[in-house]
Amino acid sequence: QVQLVQSGAEVKKPGASVKVSCKASGYTFTSYDINWVRQATGQGLEWMGWMNPNSGNTGYAQKFQGRVTMTRNTSISTAYMELSSLRSEDTAVYYCARGFAVTTTTWDYWGQGTLVTVSS
Amino acid sequence: QSVLTQPPSASGTPGQRVTISCSGSSSNIGSNTVNWYQQLPGTAPKLLIYSNNQRPSGVPDRFSGSKSGTSASLAISGLQSEDEADYYCAAWDDSLNGRGVFGGGTKLTVL
Repeated sequence: QVQLVQSGAEVKKPGASVKVSCKASGYTFTSYDINWVRQATGQGLEWMGWMNPNSGNTGYAQKFQGRVTMTRNTSISTAYMELSSLRSEDTAVYYCARGFAVTTTTWDYWGQGTLVTVSS
Repeated sequence: QSVLTQPPSASGTPGQRVTISCSGSSSNIGSNTVNWYQQLPGTAPKLLIYSNNQRPSGVPDRFSGSKSGTSASLAISGLQSEDEADYYCAAWDDSLNGRGVFGGGTKLTVL
């Protein structure tokens, strides 16, 4: 069965970087995009960007341009999202989600989420 | 401030039919398909409706979606206690080099 398993919770200081992983199984990793969505506590969902695991092509929300990097390691079917220059407002649960195509928001499988806490 | 507009809350009694609206613009709902997600407390969102009105395998037919112009709606008939959750609409937006956008979410309470 399709699964996306994310890395564990992180606590970071302001100004640091965090790298969250998302390991895919149960399907051909390079056949579907991976999107990243975050959710601050008690708040709504916020799209961060997408990555095509086959080509490595990416597209980021303007809000995160220059601070986010999405990469992958196809040999281990794992996608990564790195966010730099962390601030307290980045405290949130970060989700990876499998997508069908770039210009849709049809994400059929999601990771369990990774809590990133930014605190001094 | 979310790009798509949803009511913050909705409610109904078991067996009732409830609808949740989602309003957007020509750059998102007006030109792209709408998806709906259900999020139970403490869990990841789950795809509930895709391509405006399609249900993924396993989603009960009590859930239905529709779209007209720059608005969409989610209807839940035969409301059940387990339907109590947050519901989000989502669409691709063609502005700003393309981006995914969400509604602010609607908290559904089953009375």
